[in-house]
Amino acid sequence: QVQVVQSGAEVKKPGASVKVSCKASGYTFTGYYIHWVRQAPGQGLEWMGWINPHSGGTKYAQKFQGRVTMTRDTSITTAYMELRRLRSDDTAVYYCARAHVTVGSLGYWGQGSLVTVSS
Amino acid sequence: DIQMTQSPSSLSASVGDRVTITCQASQDISNYLNWFQQKPGKAPKLLIYAASNLETGVTSRFSGSGSGTDFTFTISSLQPEDIATYYCQQYDDVPITFGQGTRLEIE
Repeated sequence: QVQVVQSGAEVKKPGASVKVSCKASGYTFTGYYIHWVRQAPGQGLEWMGWINPHSGGTKYAQKFQGRVTMTRDTSITTAYMELRRLRSDDTAVYYCARAHVTVGSLGYWGQGSLVTVSS
Repeated sequence: DIQMTQSPSSLSASVGDRVTITCQASQDISNYLNWFQQKPGKAPKLLIYAASNLETGVTSRFSGSGSGTDFTFTISSLQPEDIATYYCQQYDDVPITFGQGTRLEIE
């Protein structure tokens, strides 16, 4: 069965970088886009971007352009999201989600990775 | 960016009630709309994709309809386990955007 497992919680200082991993299993890794979505405490869902694991091609939300990089390692069926120059308002749960049926349908979600940015 | 406006933002209903949540897009998105359920401390769960298609394994009490700019999500008979926040999401264009959420409570 499809499983998406993310790395654990992180605490970072303002200005630092964080890299969250997303290990996929139970399907052909290169066959489905992976999206990254974040959720600040008590807030709604915010899409950050996607990566095509087959080509490595990416699409980022304008808001994160220049600060985010999404990559993948097909040999270990893992996707990564790195966010740089962290600020306190980047404190959030970061989710990866595999596309399902359509590219934009986020069907299989990881458990989430809490990133706390605090001095 | 395409704005997704959900209403209501919160809703209180009784077990057995029919519950309806609406989502309006700021421009025509055809049927490129999904609905999610999120329970506290959990990841969102896909319920409906492409506006009206029930995801495998999801109860048939849930349904979706609409196209263009106006969409509806319906719970035919509210159950206690349906208590959650519900989000619509468009994928017609990037950035993908979500509605602000509807918090559903039991009266």
